[in-house]
Amino acid sequence: EAGVTQSPTHLIKTRGQQATLRCSPISGHTSVYWYQQALGLGLQFLLWYDEGEERNRGNFPPRFSGRQFPNYSSELNVNALELEDSALYLCASSLEEISYTFGSGTRLTVV
Amino acid sequence: AQKITQTQPGMFVQEKEAVTLDCTYDTSDPSYGLFWYKQPSSGEMIFLIYQGSYDQQNATEGRYSLNFQKARKSANLVISASQLGDSAMYFCAMREAWTGGFKTIFGAGTRLFVKA
Repeated sequence: EAGVTQSPTHLIKTRGQQATLRCSPISGHTSVYWYQQALGLGLQFLLWYDEGEERNRGNFPPRFSGRQFPNYSSELNVNALELEDSALYLCASSLEEISYTFGSGTRLTVV
Repeated sequence: AQKITQTQPGMFVQEKEAVTLDCTYDTSDPSYGLFWYKQPSSGEMIFLIYQGSYDQQNATEGRYSLNFQKARKSANLVISASQLGDSAMYFCAMREAWTGGFKTIFGAGTRLFVKA
């Protein structure tokens, strides 16, 4: 069984640009979660999608947005990038909220 | 208010010894779940162990065990017979009910260094 896959692995953008991160959940998992992990810090909850809808979002500005597609894959979009958006962005999927399976992450660097 | 607290930013342990990583939590939800994840330098998050709030016995998974003390709201991870490959960040997490479903929040993590 394929795990959660994220692309790209690394992404370098300049301040003010937009970044798009992608996540494919484990087959059969309908929920996708996005977390931000800044360097040396813990995971901060960003967004939760389930059955194509945004169920909840963390304490992040509106320039962080995303969507979930009919096949349950998901995109995270970050507009008007700022230097402090540099972080590891982790996607996780779950079926019944017992445990999450995480992807390897996308390391976003804003210069 | 901090929901998940991991008070040890870093820990050192000698190879083959046991180590305890602390985690305390705060919730008013009677039904919740507690998790531990390992994050090696590669960045991936690896699920280690789960404890439900109604579970009577402490969870164990191989060399990992969760010392669940409900009254004290603590869920410490015990790693027995440490191995060099155990060097990583360890995150404690709690799932609790939230609007529309559940939410899982993570602690700040503890970096474990295993010495040869």
